Amino acid sequence: KNQVEQSPQSLIILEGKNCTLQCNYTVSPFSNLRWYKQDTGRGPVSLTIMTFSENTKSNGRYTATLDADTKQSSLHITASQLSDSASYICVVSARGGSYIPTFGRGTSLIVHP
Amino acid sequence: SQTIHQWPATLVQPVGSPLSLECTVEGTSNPNLYWYRQAAGRGLQLLFYSVGIGQISSEVPQNLSASRPQDRQFILSSKKLLLSDSGFYLCACLNLAGGEQFFGPGTRLTVL
Repeated sequence: KNQVEQSPQSLIILEGKNCTLQCNYTVSPFSNLRWYKQDTGRGPVSLTIMTFSENTKSNGRYTATLDADTKQSSLHITASQLSDSASYICVVSARGGSYIPTFGRGTSLIVHP
Repeated sequence: SQTIHQWPATLVQPVGSPLSLECTVEGTSNPNLYWYRQAAGRGLQLLFYSVGIGQISSEVPQNLSASRPQDRQFILSSKKLLLSDSGFYLCACLNLAGGEQFFGPGTRLTVL
């Protein structure tokens, strides 16, 4: 069964600090992995998308890594800001006929001043 | 790029009343479309997806139904709402070429 596990479930950090969120998956055969940011009461917004051949992708202060061998991904946030407070969701899609991405439950990040 | 519209943004309905949530997509053709529900503090639960006009697949047995009358229109309905139908409903489309899923702004439904 395809699964995506995220850790930690929640995280509190001080403004200006860095943090790393983890995502482990069992989706196979792998097609791509996406990280989304979801502000409270809003729809998720894509941060990065990575395919099998990519192991690092950055979007401003967000850097995602992918290890397709160990089926792990991380999202690193540098110099956190108050506006980074949100839920971060890892989503993995399989190749082939499946049109249904597998979602993690998300990591809730709170950045305190 | 794709733009997804959902309305209404918020809705408060009594138990037993009907429901109709609409989603329309711009900037793409023949997309895969999805309805998700998100309970407070929880992950996204896939309710329905559609790969084309009139083609609907249901992921979870429930009190809801979906229809796709046009290529870029996806409707979520219920004949009689239950308290458990409360939640945040998100419409999404999948760009098969890029493999990226785009989400609408969501509808907050409260059933009283």
